[in-house]
Amino acid sequence: DQQVKQNSPSLSVQEGRISILNCDYTNSMFDYFLWYKKYPAEGPTFLISISSIKDKNEDGRFTVFLNKSAKHLSLHIVPSQPGDSAVYFCAASARVGTYKYIFGTGTRLKVLA
Amino acid sequence: DAGVIQSPRHEVTEMGQEVTLRCKPISGHDYLFWYRQTMMRGLELLIYFNNNVPIDDSGMPEDRFSAKMPNASFSTLKIQPSEPRDSAVYFCASTSGINTQYFGPGTRLTVL
Repeated sequence: DQQVKQNSPSLSVQEGRISILNCDYTNSMFDYFLWYKKYPAEGPTFLISISSIKDKNEDGRFTVFLNKSAKHLSLHIVPSQPGDSAVYFCAASARVGTYKYIFGTGTRLKVLA
Repeated sequence: DAGVIQSPRHEVTEMGQEVTLRCKPISGHDYLFWYRQTMMRGLELLIYFNNNVPIDDSGMPEDRFSAKMPNASFSTLKIQPSEPRDSAVYFCASTSGINTQYFGPGTRLTVL
């Protein structure tokens, strides 16, 4: 049973345009959400996070939006650059009493020059 | 800091053989995690340790898998006997208890 779902396995976007990656979760106990980026032959690296007390967090070109009622979060990349081409994983955590992350299956983003 | 170190980077073995994956966490980190990445299931948490003690091994698929952390700077994940369905990329990650986990480069395991 996938508690964190990324329903789009892949996404292609033109350079300079907006990339929107989506993630849905089912467990209402999740209160912390993260996005990781992964290049081939490397481990995932932390990109941005958001606590459930917020609905938006921004870091440069990257913004994460959280809609708790819909149990949905999204990552916006504006403007998209070829170097953003990677696999993006969404993760969720119920921080009280645990440091477990539940990851989604990932979305492969390709930014076309 | 050198980051999380994993060895080997690639492992090819035959079905039935024992496989041992190794991990050195970032110095000072007191949590260590083992994950498996597959196309179908993404990144799955197998087991995690706090201060060298296993806290949650509910993700370990079956008794063929075992993990140890004999000290703060070393952990192993062992598969015995290995099967073709164990083929995946295995990641180790560590953290000091803040929310960001730092991942190693992974070990790509192929079981023939």
